[in-house]
Amino acid sequence: KNEVEQSPQNLTAQEGEFITINCSYSVGISALHWLQQHPGGGIVSLFMLSSGKKKHGRLIATINIQEKHSSLHITASHPRDSAVYICAARGNQFYFGTGTSLTVIP
Amino acid sequence: GAVVSQHPSWVICKSGTSVKIECRSLDFQATTMFWYRQFPKQSLMLMATSNEGSKATYEQGVEKDKFLINHASLTLSTLTVTSAHPEDSSFYICSAPLTGYGYTFGSGTRLTVV
Repeated sequence: KNEVEQSPQNLTAQEGEFITINCSYSVGISALHWLQQHPGGGIVSLFMLSSGKKKHGRLIATINIQEKHSSLHITASHPRDSAVYICAARGNQFYFGTGTSLTVIP
Repeated sequence: GAVVSQHPSWVICKSGTSVKIECRSLDFQATTMFWYRQFPKQSLMLMATSNEGSKATYEQGVEKDKFLINHASLTLSTLTVTSAHPEDSSFYICSAPLTGYGYTFGSGTRLTVV
C-alpha cells in the first residue's frame, strides 16, 4: 500500500466545472504539498499546507490532519488547468502520490 | 521569488556516455537539494539528497557510482548520470527547500539514452 493515495487517477471535466482531487496519507507529516506537472514535465509547487485551508486564485487546498486527508479544488476550471496534479506528503522524506491526470475540455 | 534553474531541459545521449544535469538556486542559497526521477506514468521517486559541502545521501536501490551528485557551492548542485544506458531514460528533477515557504522545483530534465 502506498503511503499517499490519490483519487481519481484520471479526470475529465467540461470547462467551468468545479473539480476536486483527493489525497489520503498514512504517514506522520510536517506538511503536505500539491504540485502541478505540465505535459512537458515541468513541476510547479501550488500549495504547502500544514493545517486548514489555503486559496490562490481559482485553486483551493484543504487539509484535515486528524483524518489524514487533503483536497485540491479548482473552481471555474479552464483548459489551461489540464495537467497532472500530485499530492506529496512531507514526513521524514517526501512521499508522492501517483498523480491525478486532469483534462478540461472547452 | 526563489527559483531553481535546471539545465538542460532535455538531452539525448548515446549509451555509455555520461550526462551532467545542473540545478542552480537563484536569489537564495540552497544548502540542500533533492534529486528525483520519474518514469513515464509513475510518481516522482526520491533518488538522493545533497548537502553543500558533504556527501550526498542516496535512497535505497540508487547506485551511488552511477548517479554522481556534487553540491560544491550553495547555489549549484549537479547530478551526473555515468555510463548511461537506455533504462536510465527518465525525467530528472531537483528541488530545494525554502525556509518557511515549502519547496521550489527545477523545471526538470528529460533524458533519453539511445
